[in-house]
Amino acid sequence: QSALTQPRSVSGSPGQSVTISCTGASIDVGGLPYVSWYQHHPGKAPKLLIYDVNNRPSGVPDRFSGSKSANTASLTISGLQADDESEYFCCSYAGQMVFGGGTKLTVL
Amino acid sequence: QVQLVQSGAEVKKPGFSVKVSCKASGATFNSHSITWVRQAPGQGLEWMGTIIPALGVADYPQKFRGRVTMTPFQSANTAYMQLSGLTSDDTAIYYCATMRVHFPEHWGQGTLLTVSS
Repeated sequence: QSALTQPRSVSGSPGQSVTISCTGASIDVGGLPYVSWYQHHPGKAPKLLIYDVNNRPSGVPDRFSGSKSANTASLTISGLQADDESEYFCCSYAGQMVFGGGTKLTVL
Repeated sequence: QVQLVQSGAEVKKPGFSVKVSCKASGATFNSHSITWVRQAPGQGLEWMGTIIPALGVADYPQKFRGRVTMTPFQSANTAYMQLSGLTSDDTAIYYCATMRVHFPEHWGQGTLLTVSS
């Protein structure tokens, strides 16, 4: 059982937007602005998409955005593309590091 | 382009130890903190600890204290994670990642460890 709760799967059609939630507690997600998001193709290295809730590293398209409200962080992917189909997971750092269980995104 | 390349898959018997390497290229990470994370079959990611060379300390969650040893990037730009007293519960994919302040930034591709008698 993961410390942070994510939906097991989400889906959307090309061009649409999807949002993946990541729910924790006041001691992690809700406590500090240190939530990051990753895209992970099985067998490959996870890729950083968002850090500190809503910051994008250089090279990550602005189709990817992050937000947070209370104990829930969210990753929104707009203008879905076929190669967005992947697993996505969240991470929160508040002294210790905790992760979400991962969400499988299917592009229909 | 920064890349972390981990050592290959391992099969170990219960009670034995494993040492996984994480080699960096594209940059020098001698002073970077490194985090190790694992994912057991069907489970989410689990933080195993972070080594902080700048402070000369390692931060391990209670679950792994006494069983895990992490070393920072040193010669050959390679870091290591050693886990002892293996049980079948340690069967998992193990990942290294460089830390940028308080989030994992660059990740390795993962190393599959199978613990079986």
